[in-house]
Amino acid sequence: GAVVSQHPSWVICKSGTSVKIECRSLDFQATTMFWYRQFPKQSLMLMATSNEGSKATYEQGVEKDKFLINHASLTLSTLTVTSAHPEDSSFYICSANDAGTPQNYGYTFGSGTRLTVV
Amino acid sequence: GDSVTQMEGPVTLSEEAFLTINCTYTATGYPSLFWYVQYPGEGLQLLLKATKADDKGSNKGFEATYRKETTSFHLEKGSVQVSDSAVYFCALLGTSYGKLTFGQGTILTVHP
Repeated sequence: GAVVSQHPSWVICKSGTSVKIECRSLDFQATTMFWYRQFPKQSLMLMATSNEGSKATYEQGVEKDKFLINHASLTLSTLTVTSAHPEDSSFYICSANDAGTPQNYGYTFGSGTRLTVV
Repeated sequence: GDSVTQMEGPVTLSEEAFLTINCTYTATGYPSLFWYVQYPGEGLQLLLKATKADDKGSNKGFEATYRKETTSFHLEKGSVQVSDSAVYFCALLGTSYGKLTFGQGTILTVHP
């Protein structure tokens, strides 16, 4: 089946530095990818919708200058957490659709990235 | 707007017990409904789905039926195993925008 590869699976960075998380669709092209954030024991919060070749659409309350999203190709979207602070520590997950009709097939999720800012 | 409500957890069961996790939704039109499972430290995996009323999704012994009259999509399994311990998310995909709406998740722990 379709696979979404997310890298790195975990990262520890110092406060003030930037971290890039990659999300790749393997064996399929993803015009649209989604980025989520998940706090411990909580549900997924949609951060933004990443569209290939255009600017991402951010959800209300998400700082677009802090969470930079680039979707330069049909198989790769990146999320860069800029000037990271401890409150940015979280589990970040991407997802993509591997068929033309997500209503029928749902979305495929990456394995997530655990970000810890110290 | 669209919303999904799941029964609060955590749910703790003994192996071979019967499992029900309730899920109800609010949406306009005819959404597709999904159950996802998340194992510790991992992303989400699609467990099962249903795309129209009265459809029954099933996988790995889990089942859920799309009930439009009660706007529900309850997850059931007749005999749980320790390996079923995970977090389960009910989700819907509305007819517009392409965004999944998730319930709050239910932690399931199965003891031997």
